[in-house]
Amino acid sequence: QKEVEQNSGPLSVPEGAIASLNCTYSDRVSQSFFWYRQYSGKSPELIMSIYSNGDKEDGRFTAQLNKASQYVSLLIRDSQPSDSATYLCAVNIGRSGGGADGLTFGKGTHLIIQP
Amino acid sequence: DADVTQTPRNRITKTGKRIMLECSQTKGHDRMYWYRQDPGLGLRLIYYSFDVKDINKGEISDGYSVSRQAQAKFSLSLESAIPNQTALYFCATSDFFGDRGEGADTQYFGPGTRLTVL
Repeated sequence: QKEVEQNSGPLSVPEGAIASLNCTYSDRVSQSFFWYRQYSGKSPELIMSIYSNGDKEDGRFTAQLNKASQYVSLLIRDSQPSDSATYLCAVNIGRSGGGADGLTFGKGTHLIIQP
Repeated sequence: DADVTQTPRNRITKTGKRIMLECSQTKGHDRMYWYRQDPGLGLRLIYYSFDVKDINKGEISDGYSVSRQAQAKFSLSLESAIPNQTALYFCATSDFFGDRGEGADTQYFGPGTRLTVL
């Protein structure tokens, strides 16, 4: 059974600071990793995807992947009140020949940016 | 216009009623998915489809059925709704990446349908 674990929070971070969100996954052969942001009552919105070990940066967001440790994280620099949301970690195992049989989601971390 | 649309956006129904939730997409993706989201349980996969002839059960398919009418349309049905099917339902799409490179498996979500079963 594939599992994705996240601390549910809430994680409270002062405005302008770095928010660090963490995620672990159980399946060693997972190949694709995602961070989605979800505001209350809204649909998940893709923030970052990462496929290889190391760091990937996009604006204020940095995703970090360590497949050996089965760990993926998201850093948000210069946190803004608008970053307050639930952040979902999602993982997929690739099927032979490529393709997606659906993402397994963590339950999400509720992030609060304090003005 | 939104790339992935869902109808209805809100629905209140009674126990035992049949209900259909519809999803349409203009992204040209072959793959479509239905998820439900419950407080404290996160997003869970109900059914997924790789094309109109390929439909697969997800983690929690009992009590649900689906129909892939066309590449762009994927419907979820509750044949006899029960209160514990009260949830937020999301449709999602993704494209096929044979080389599993950047972008592979990325899913894009519709706005959701809030379903209440009384």
